[in-house]
Amino acid sequence: EDQVTQSPEALRLQEGESSSLNCSYTVSGLRGLFWYRQDPGKGPEFLFTLYSAGEEKEKERLKATLTKKESFLHITAPKPEDSATYLCAVPGHSGYALNFGKGTSLLVTP
Amino acid sequence: EPEVTQTPSHQVTQMGQEVILRCVPISNHLYFYWYRQILGQKVEFLVSFYNNEISEKSEIFDDQFSVERPDGSNFTLKIRSTKLEDSAMYFCASSEDTGELFFGEGSRLTVL
Repeated sequence: EDQVTQSPEALRLQEGESSSLNCSYTVSGLRGLFWYRQDPGKGPEFLFTLYSAGEEKEKERLKATLTKKESFLHITAPKPEDSATYLCAVPGHSGYALNFGKGTSLLVTP
Repeated sequence: EPEVTQTPSHQVTQMGQEVILRCVPISNHLYFYWYRQILGQKVEFLVSFYNNEISEKSEIFDDQFSVERPDGSNFTLKIRSTKLEDSAMYFCASSEDTGELFFGEGSRLTVL
């Protein structure tokens, strides 16, 4: 049973066209929700951790928000260098290893 | 900036051969992990290691896999008898505590 579901699977944006990526989770007693960026052939790069509903974090053109059932990664005025796969992850029912979603592949065109 | 380093970056092996993938975690980190990513699929958890023992493992991590921390800096993943379906990117990660994981660049394993 998938604990993390991400949508859409793929997203194509024009440079400057803002949008949001969604991550819904089913784990109860959330012990953190993590966002990563992954470039082709590379390891995931840590972006944000959110722990409680209502929490928000920002980094450059990215802002992550959290509710009781989902998280959003908002991308404001994206640039081509923001093109990557964005991964969402949560710790499992026991332990602290992260379980990843399938990711959203973002392509930003000039 | 400290980083997780992995070797080799790419290894090609014959089916049935043993493979050892090596990782040097970030020096003050206490938790170590191996993940794998089959081409086009999601990042999958294999095993976590803390205080010189396995703390958690997935169904993927069967008897053909083992992990070891042979000294104070290295963390290894051994696959005893490789199968075609073991072809994947293998990522090592480490964390200071139970928070965010920091990943290496990966080792690409190709089994022929």
